[in-house]
Amino acid sequence: AQSVTQPDIHITVSEGASLELRCNYSYGATPYLFWYVQSPGQGLQLLLKYFSGDTLVQGIKGFEAEFKRSQSSFNLRKPSVHWSDAAEYFCAVGGSSNTGKLIFGQGTTLQVKP
Amino acid sequence: EAQVTQNPRYLITVTGKKLTVTCSQNMNHEYMSWYRQDPGLGLRQIYYSMNVEVTDKGDVPEGYKVSRKEKRNFPLILESPSPNQTSLYFCASSLHPSGQDEQFFGPGTRLTVL
Repeated sequence: AQSVTQPDIHITVSEGASLELRCNYSYGATPYLFWYVQSPGQGLQLLLKYFSGDTLVQGIKGFEAEFKRSQSSFNLRKPSVHWSDAAEYFCAVGGSSNTGKLIFGQGTTLQVKP
Repeated sequence: EAQVTQNPRYLITVTGKKLTVTCSQNMNHEYMSWYRQDPGLGLRQIYYSMNVEVTDKGDVPEGYKVSRKEKRNFPLILESPSPNQTSLYFCASSLHPSGQDEQFFGPGTRLTVL
């Protein structure tokens, strides 16, 4: 069955520290992978996506993610976190042309300490 | 401005009182979808629509109805709401239903059913 797992429900980092949010997926075909961010009271905004090619993808707001097929992972990273990065982050996998559905992970809430 | 709008943003209602949550997009997208977000579960798809007059069930369709009479609008209807439908609802749209396209999300509707 298709699924996405985000092992960390909550993560707290200090402002200026580096960040890595984990995402593991289970998908039979070639996955299309996404990271979305949800700020408090807001909808979801796309940070970055991976379809093919270079396995390190750059996104908005200084985020990047690396696709590792052997580990079925698509971890999100940022070298230096800002207080405004505090939000909930969702990893998602798509690719089903039958439904267009995105399968989301449970989400990781990021708290940033001053 | 390209966007997905939802109304209302907040709604408190009572069990059994029919309600409709509207969704509209101004990007001429073919594909539209409804998700519900619950703590620890991420987002789950309720219904989706490939195009006008074409709708189908997602993963959690029980208790919901939808219609797609116009390309821009995709209302979510709860004929007889129950407390287990208390949730945060998101409408989303994308250009094509391929699973590859970025999905644009509305700001969300927080529904409480008493």
